[in-house]
Amino acid sequence: QLQLQESGPGLVKPSETLSLTCTVSGGSISSSSYYWGWIRQPPGKGLEWIGSIYYSGSTYYNPSLKSRVTISVDTSKNQFSLKLSSVTAADTAVYYCARHSRQQLVDYWGQGTLVTVSS
Amino acid sequence: DIQLTQSPSFLSASVGDRVTITCRASQGISSYLAWYQQKPGKAPKLLIYAASTLQSGVPSRFSGSGSGTEFTLTISSLQPEDFATYYCQQLNSYPRITFGPGTKVDIK
Repeated sequence: QLQLQESGPGLVKPSETLSLTCTVSGGSISSSSYYWGWIRQPPGKGLEWIGSIYYSGSTYYNPSLKSRVTISVDTSKNQFSLKLSSVTAADTAVYYCARHSRQQLVDYWGQGTLVTVSS
Repeated sequence: DIQLTQSPSFLSASVGDRVTITCRASQGISSYLAWYQQKPGKAPKLLIYAASTLQSGVPSRFSGSGSGTEFTLTISSLQPEDFATYYCQQLNSYPRITFGPGTKVDIK
């Protein structure tokens, strides 16, 4: 059974960079059939896609966040990571890592991790 | 960009009720639509894809229909574990992932 687990600081100061890692177990991140993405959900609000990466390193970002987002993959560790720079309180959210198909069907999710932006 | 809207945004229902949620797309998307269920504090769970195909393990009381610009998710007999927020998602916006705003189903 595929499992995804987010890890990283739960508190980030304004203007700093949010960094999260997703560790994939029970399957290979190098599968040619899937993409690996980050999706966030501010408290009490809906789901927002941040971006995705293919195992080859090709990346796709939400245009509204593109200038601040970097997603990378480490196939040797079966991990992919998110960096979001210049954070503000508006970036406070539960951050999910997820697997999706080329058709964007999200079939596996991590449990989510709450990141709070506050001084 | 194609926008998704859901109605209602909130509904109150009782156990055993038949519940219908609508998702509308600003342009036709054929049958490229999925539905997810999210319970408080949990990640979303895939229920239906290709507008009407039930994901493995999802109870048969859930069904989806529609094509083009109007889609529905129906729960034939609401169970206590079905109280949650439901999101639609379009599946032809590669490489973007786009969700609807959600419909919260609460206990009457």
